[in-house]
Amino acid sequence: RKEVEQDPGPFNVPEGATVAFNCTYSNSASQSFFWYRQDCRKEPKLLMSVYSSGNEDGRFTAQLNRASQYISLLIRDSKLSDSATYLCVVNSKAGSYQLTFGKGTKLSVIP
Amino acid sequence: GAGVSQTPSNKVTEKGKYVELRCDPISGHTALYWYRQSLGQGPEFLIYFQGTGAADDSGLPNDRFFAVRPEGSVSTLKIQRTERGDSAVYLCASSLSVGQGTDTQYFGPGTRLTVL
Repeated sequence: RKEVEQDPGPFNVPEGATVAFNCTYSNSASQSFFWYRQDCRKEPKLLMSVYSSGNEDGRFTAQLNRASQYISLLIRDSKLSDSATYLCVVNSKAGSYQLTFGKGTKLSVIP
Repeated sequence: GAGVSQTPSNKVTEKGKYVELRCDPISGHTALYWYRQSLGQGPEFLIYFQGTGAADDSGLPNDRFFAVRPEGSVSTLKIQRTERGDSAVYLCASSLSVGQGTDTQYFGPGTRLTVL
């Protein structure tokens, strides 16, 4: 089983739609969780950290379920500029600095 | 302010050659990381530096890969006897400190390595 698994996608959604990405991780000792965004042929950029209590940043909401080892990202009111690959990221060891990335889910927001 | 920079942006080499990839971290960042991203995959950890020392090189695929950071700032990833399977985007990241895995890692634009 891969350490971090994501929906394979791609997701093609119309502008204004709500879209949800799911991710599971295998290492129960993982402590830190993130969503990164990567545009085509660009570097990954931190979108948001994910906390147990859930957190929201504008149109983006991230949730973490430690018992199920499950992470989600919800994007409301999708914009064309949201088109990118979304990477689920976990620090692979407790107290670690190594980031383990999922393969990413590609989102295309269509006019 | 200036972000992480990497040079060259693209490198084409022939099988068996030696290559060096350079990373300039964000000024003041003590932690530096190298990752490799193959097509259709997420980045994979290679090595991590805290200051001048390689604190964890467990991600280096074999002994053809080596990285240095002699003055605790700029880092060079060195690949000997390149193979076609080494073709990938090599990403460098830096963070303010090691922390407990919570420090944000800022990525550079990467070096796209193609081995013919």
